[in-house]
Amino acid sequence: GNSVTQMEGPVTLSEEAFLTINCTYTATGYPSLFWYVQYPGEGLQLLLKATKADDKGSNKGFEATYRKETTSFHLEKGSVQVSDSAVYFCALSDQGAGGTSYGKLTFGQGTILTVHP
Amino acid sequence: GAVVSQHPSRVICKSGTSVKIECRSLDFQATTMFWYRQFPKQSLMLMATSNEGSKATYEQGVEKDKFLINHASLTLSTLTVTSAHPEDSSFYICSATGRGYQPQHFGDGTRLSIL
Repeated sequence: GNSVTQMEGPVTLSEEAFLTINCTYTATGYPSLFWYVQYPGEGLQLLLKATKADDKGSNKGFEATYRKETTSFHLEKGSVQVSDSAVYFCALSDQGAGGTSYGKLTFGQGTILTVHP
Repeated sequence: GAVVSQHPSRVICKSGTSVKIECRSLDFQATTMFWYRQFPKQSLMLMATSNEGSKATYEQGVEKDKFLINHASLTLSTLTVTSAHPEDSSFYICSATGRGYQPQHFGDGTRLSIL
């Protein structure tokens, strides 16, 4: 079955530091890949996505590239801010029934990021 | 962007009562809705998938008689935790997706505490 593995956290950085959160996956076929962010006490927000190999998803300074050869989708940001402190989830989805939509999501375990001033 | 509203955000009730949680898509037609449970500092566990007008599909190990899911319209799904007990206390999150390749959009979650 499908699975997603994220780097262990928590990750603690100083403001303006470079961020990498590793994510690797196991899946059959050609999944779509996502990064979601969860702020304390809230649901998840879609941060970025990539739907095929070599696609780069980007949003709010974050980016991740779909690497099929290494089955990875690492999240990066060049300069983090205190407001980026949250839990980050990597996820994958294969096709839903009928082949016209995404299927259900498989999540990684989440990585807690804390950014200090 | 797509907005999913979940209500209530927090509920505290006595053991043995039933609790209903609503999940609404505010600006799109949600053909599929998902219900998740999240334990502290853990990932999301998918409980069930519901398609509008159909019975929900439950994940292995989730009691369908305990967690009743209704998806009667394209904008509303409800999760009812029946005869709730302290072990049902958790953070419940819904998500919704529409036709075509739309990513899931999540509600803000419901913190359920059973005394």
